[in-house]
Amino acid sequence: ELKVEQNPLFLSMQEGKNYTIYCNYSTTSDRLYWYRQDPGKSLESLFVLLSNGAVKQEGRLMASLDTKARLSTLHITAAVHDLSATYFCAVGGDMRFGAGTRLTVKP
Amino acid sequence: EAGVVQSPRYKIIEKKQPVAFWCNPISGHNTLYWYRQNLGQGPELLIRYENEEAVDDSQLPKDRFSAERLKGVDSTLKIQPAELGDSAVYLCASSLRDEGKREQYFGPGTRLTVT
Repeated sequence: ELKVEQNPLFLSMQEGKNYTIYCNYSTTSDRLYWYRQDPGKSLESLFVLLSNGAVKQEGRLMASLDTKARLSTLHITAAVHDLSATYFCAVGGDMRFGAGTRLTVKP
Repeated sequence: EAGVVQSPRYKIIEKKQPVAFWCNPISGHNTLYWYRQNLGQGPELLIRYENEEAVDDSQLPKDRFSAERLKGVDSTLKIQPAELGDSAVYLCASSLRDEGKREQYFGPGTRLTVT
């Protein structure tokens, strides 16, 4: 059974700092997704990663995929308050989600 | 373009009562998903449809949950009878099957409270 682990589960960071969220998964998969969820809201698609070595960037967020290590990272550069949200990775065609990383960016 | 529509947005029922959720996917999206999201957790896939066919329902508790997608467009998810543990947000999503990346678009969800 595919297992997806995210860490950290909670992240409090200062504005302007950099940090990385990790997503590990247990079995081979051909796709990985990153989503953002604001409190009380639905999920917003951030990135779709389809191949080993894929890197996608949007604003202050950059996602990468290493299928051999079964690892994806979501890197945050120079965080701002608006990035405060919960970030989920999801793996595979059956969309197995991680538990999420609750990010708080403080002034 | 309209997004995924779900109704109702909120529902409060007593245990043992039935409840139904409705989803209208993005026009042209042939794949439809139902998820359950418990508080503080990631969404859990309940069922996936390709057009009108349920292709993955392994996580659907079939003793009390049922779903249908007539004509391969709108879908309904039903719980009968509801239990206290069914309190959660039920999310519907849709995607294009023929598109390699299968990017999913989520609806706003239905928040179910069972008392």
